[in-house]
Amino acid sequence: DAKTTQPTSMDCAEGRAANLPCNHSTISGNEYVYWYRQIHSQGPQYIIHGLKNNETNEMASLIITEDRKSSTLILPHATLRDTAVYYCISHFNAGGTSYGKLTFGQGTILTVHP
Amino acid sequence: DTAVSQTPKYLVTQMGNDKSIKCEQNLGHDTMYWYKQDSKKFLKIMFSYNNKELIINETVPNRFSPKSPDKAHLNLHINSLELGDSAVYFCASSLPGGARVVLHFGNGTRLTVT
Repeated sequence: DAKTTQPTSMDCAEGRAANLPCNHSTISGNEYVYWYRQIHSQGPQYIIHGLKNNETNEMASLIITEDRKSSTLILPHATLRDTAVYYCISHFNAGGTSYGKLTFGQGTILTVHP
Repeated sequence: DTAVSQTPKYLVTQMGNDKSIKCEQNLGHDTMYWYKQDSKKFLKIMFSYNNKELIINETVPNRFSPKSPDKAHLNLHINSLELGDSAVYFCASSLPGGARVVLHFGNGTRLTVT
């Protein structure tokens, strides 16, 4: 799986969009980009994933560049409850011993302030 | 109706003791995992089971033994606990997803060995 690079921390004002970048310049063609977040004292929570196309769900939007070397997670209207560590992960589930073996880096600490 | 539940939430014990952490999922998933989050907050996979069969066994000391009585349960037994075992242990589950896999995590068990 490709290594991902994220800023250590970011701030966002409540009600504004939070744009979290991720660099995965060595991603291979079959690796998906996943985003998880971990709110304090909770387990990681799946947010969204994508391969090539931009994706949107009820939680967020994922924008993947055309060359797939970077992506941005967008929380359209951040709330205080979105304060968490956000992890960007690239992974291809080849089965066998790679199944579900996600590599969590240090992530981005997003602080949403009033 | 918690999807992935772990017990206990906190576990404080002395070196040399044997302890177990239980995990249950009601999502109907076939695959379950144990991840460990150390003091530096890095999250790493320890084990995964698919339909009660061991798939992944990372380089974990053999004092750690997972047991899956059925596909809804994956317990973690730890013998002869050491100070370095202090960490947060997360259980997770997923459906077989082909090239992509989405993990659903429990809220963790904080193990403190004194």
